[in-house]
Amino acid sequence: NAGVTQTPKFRVLKTGQSMTLLCAQDMNHEYMYWYRQDPGMGLRLIHYSVGEGTTAKGEVPDGYNVSRLKKQNFLLGLESAAPSQTSVYFCASSATAKGTQYFGPGTRLTVL
Amino acid sequence: GESVGLHLPTLSVQEGDNSIINCAYSNSASDYFIWYKQESGKGPQFIIDIRSNMDKRQGQRVTVLLNKTVKHLSLQIAATQPGDSAVYFCAENTATAGNKLTFGGGTRVLVKP
Repeated sequence: NAGVTQTPKFRVLKTGQSMTLLCAQDMNHEYMYWYRQDPGMGLRLIHYSVGEGTTAKGEVPDGYNVSRLKKQNFLLGLESAAPSQTSVYFCASSATAKGTQYFGPGTRLTVL
Repeated sequence: GESVGLHLPTLSVQEGDNSIINCAYSNSASDYFIWYKQESGKGPQFIIDIRSNMDKRQGQRVTVLLNKTVKHLSLQIAATQPGDSAVYFCAENTATAGNKLTFGGGTRVLVKP
């Protein structure tokens, strides 16, 4: 059981470039989440999904898009990266809305 | 590892002593609370949770206390060990906010040998 995995672990982008972060979970969880973590600000929810084919906006959704085509995968896209999107990105999943959220190891993204 | 919380409040604890980490939450309608531990370079790891119909819950070496009157949550770690050095986050879940977690800013715990 790998739990929650994220790829890539590190990435450096130039302003305006695009990329997709992949999150995969093997726990058959319905709920999946994308957070960003910045120094001194804790984790902030970007987007989340309550099941395959559904997505919803979180606290800081601007500049990001997501897709949940398969239950086990949740993709986070940046269409035109900006330096303000330099952060550490964490994916999480949970079985229910109030279930424990299990986090992946994170992706460190730097936008120059 | 990742640079998390450069300006976090820090609790320095002597190895073997008990640690108490405090958290004030914001929403009186929150009904579920969780403590997470985050080590450098890793994702947050679940420690313990508590529902609003309880005021205390114990795990292995950890105890969470909930005071709904003053909207305060605390995590107590007994006999703190070097492996407890990490950043600790509290999170609250509110049904009226779509059951999404809202995280606090975190507290860094440094265990001195």
